[in-house]
Amino acid sequence: DTGVSQNPRHKITKRGQNVTFRCDPISEHNRLYWYRQTLGQGPEFLTYFQNEAQLEKSRLLSDRFSAERPKGSFSTLEIQRTEQGDSAMYLCASSVTFNEQFFGPGTRLTVL
Amino acid sequence: DAKTTQPNSMESNEEEPVHLPCNHSTISGTDYIHWYRQLPSQGPEYVIHGLTSNVNNRMASLAIAEDRKSSTLILHRATLRDAAVYYCMTINYGQNFVFGPGTRLSVLP
Repeated sequence: DTGVSQNPRHKITKRGQNVTFRCDPISEHNRLYWYRQTLGQGPEFLTYFQNEAQLEKSRLLSDRFSAERPKGSFSTLEIQRTEQGDSAMYLCASSVTFNEQFFGPGTRLTVL
Repeated sequence: DAKTTQPNSMESNEEEPVHLPCNHSTISGTDYIHWYRQLPSQGPEYVIHGLTSNVNNRMASLAIAEDRKSSTLILHRATLRDAAVYYCMTINYGQNFVFGPGTRLSVLP
């Protein structure tokens, strides 16, 4: 399968714990995006990479959130000291240009 | 902040055309308009995009108002497989990607 993959698909954690999600984009795509989606809402943009450079971060991305794309390939999104409000689907997408993003299946986070 | 609005839900009969509207009143002159759709338990799927002119592809057509403050996604013949949540999205200044709240499309056989 050559699509965008995300791991894990589901994560249950206790409030206050740290979690890390991984995204593997389509191999030739230099742009990578992270979004958060809560039930019944559209995706909310979190951050964007071009190759290994993080070029844009949403105001929604608090200091507890950090993302990396160390070699311009896979990316990780870490949430420190999780809160119940962090429960959501975390979506990763990749693209060659801005105009056709390919989304992964998402990681569903539940914070107890 | 950029603001995008869409009707919460729409219904169509199978094999009839569907027009899904989106208002993006704060769009700037260089922002592209995108449409994605999402099936249950899946990530969004790209449908179409445009800047100023109307656009067609194998999935749909995109009609963009002259002032660009609204757009309409047109499915020419809805099928049961088109039942999904449809999102319009714009890229505002600073490369911030803004999705609308989505329209849930039901297709009746």
